[in-house]
Amino acid sequence: DAKTTQPNSMESNEEEPVHLPCNHSTISGTDYIHWYRQLPSQGPEYVIHGLTSNVNNRMASLAIAEDRKSSTLILHRATLRDAAVYYCILSSSGGSNYKLTFGKGTLLTVNP
Amino acid sequence: NAGVTQTPKFQVLKTGQSMTLQCAQDMNHEYMSWYRQDPGMGLRLIHYSVGAGITDQGEVPNGYNVSRSTTEDFPLRLLSAAPSQTSVYFCASRSRAASSYEQYFGPGTRLTVT
Repeated sequence: DAKTTQPNSMESNEEEPVHLPCNHSTISGTDYIHWYRQLPSQGPEYVIHGLTSNVNNRMASLAIAEDRKSSTLILHRATLRDAAVYYCILSSSGGSNYKLTFGKGTLLTVNP
Repeated sequence: NAGVTQTPKFQVLKTGQSMTLQCAQDMNHEYMSWYRQDPGMGLRLIHYSVGAGITDQGEVPNGYNVSRSTTEDFPLRLLSAAPSQTSVYFCASRSRAASSYEQYFGPGTRLTVT
């Protein structure tokens, strides 16, 4: 599986936008980009995913570079509840994408 | 829906003991997986199943057994516990539908082996 690179940690202030970057220079044409987050002492939860186009949902937006070698998860207004570890994960399309490979992710701290 | 449930929440074992971690989901998902998470690390896949009666190994399967007799349940068995298996264990499920990419995770079981 192609690997992703994320900063170890980032800090934000409450009610400000947060841009979480992810590099995936070896991404293949069939790899989807998934983002999950893990709140303290909880299991991971799905945030968003995309293939080529930018995506929006109620939780966040996903901006994908034109060459797909990087992507950015955007939280439009951070809240204290958004403090978590955010994982950027690649998985191929089709049946095998139930096998997710988690890196260490980015620890997001949100300051009040 | 209860989603994905795991029992127990906490467990302490002595080296050499065996036990079963329970996982159940009520979403009729075909795919189920077990992950472990060591301190400060991401999750690693232990075993997975694509349907009742079908299981396969993930990245770190040694020391663990699984079976899938029903769609709802996917228990993880530790055969002879070792301190290296001290970890937090997460179960996950996902629909097989091509349009569904979201995996649902349980709350985890925190296991300590002394």
